[in-house]
Amino acid sequence: GQQVMQIPQYQHVQEGEDFTTYCNSSTTLSNIQWYKQRPGGHPVFLIQLVKSGEVKKQKRLTFQFGEAKKNSSLHITATQTTDVGTYFCAGGDNQGGKLIFGQGTELSVKP
Amino acid sequence: NAGVTQTPKFQVLKTGQSMTLQCAQDMNHEYMSWYRQDPGMGLRLIHYSVGAGITDQGEVPNGYNVSRSTTEDFPLRLLSAAPSQTSVYFCASRSRSDTQYFGPGTRLTVL
Repeated sequence: GQQVMQIPQYQHVQEGEDFTTYCNSSTTLSNIQWYKQRPGGHPVFLIQLVKSGEVKKQKRLTFQFGEAKKNSSLHITATQTTDVGTYFCAGGDNQGGKLIFGQGTELSVKP
Repeated sequence: NAGVTQTPKFQVLKTGQSMTLQCAQDMNHEYMSWYRQDPGMGLRLIHYSVGAGITDQGEVPNGYNVSRSTTEDFPLRLLSAAPSQTSVYFCASRSRSDTQYFGPGTRLTVL
């Protein structure tokens, strides 16, 4: 079945450093979504990518969807302590029903 | 709008007991899903529904039943709880190609 792998599992950075998390699917995706979960909270939607090769930006966050629609990345420029949390990617299948999540990358930022 | 609501917030069960986790949404979303979250495992899809009367299995369906008699409600039933089902359970809903909204979660412990 569809599998979504995400690396790294943990990332510790100094405030001001950049951060990137990578997501790979075993199958071609119809779309990919990214979520952020703060400790003790629930996942909160960040963005959805649909088109092959798509790049979207939200302030310091840059999201990319691969040409083959099987991989994606989230890059944060100049991390801040407010960026702390776990970032998840989630891949949608072509039938549109299932959304399979990666294992998440836990980001900690040292001031 | 209340969004996605889940009850209870916390639950402790003994092995072999049954219970139902409730989930409701007031956004008229077609798609609803149940996930469980365990440390280091990310969010794993248990069951999902693409509309009233239609349900399907996700990645880890064993030990859980669902039904979708109305658009608003999507209860998750544990027929005979096991310690391996100790987890945080999240319900989520979305339109077909839109943001997925998560409920606040139910923290379940099975002794």
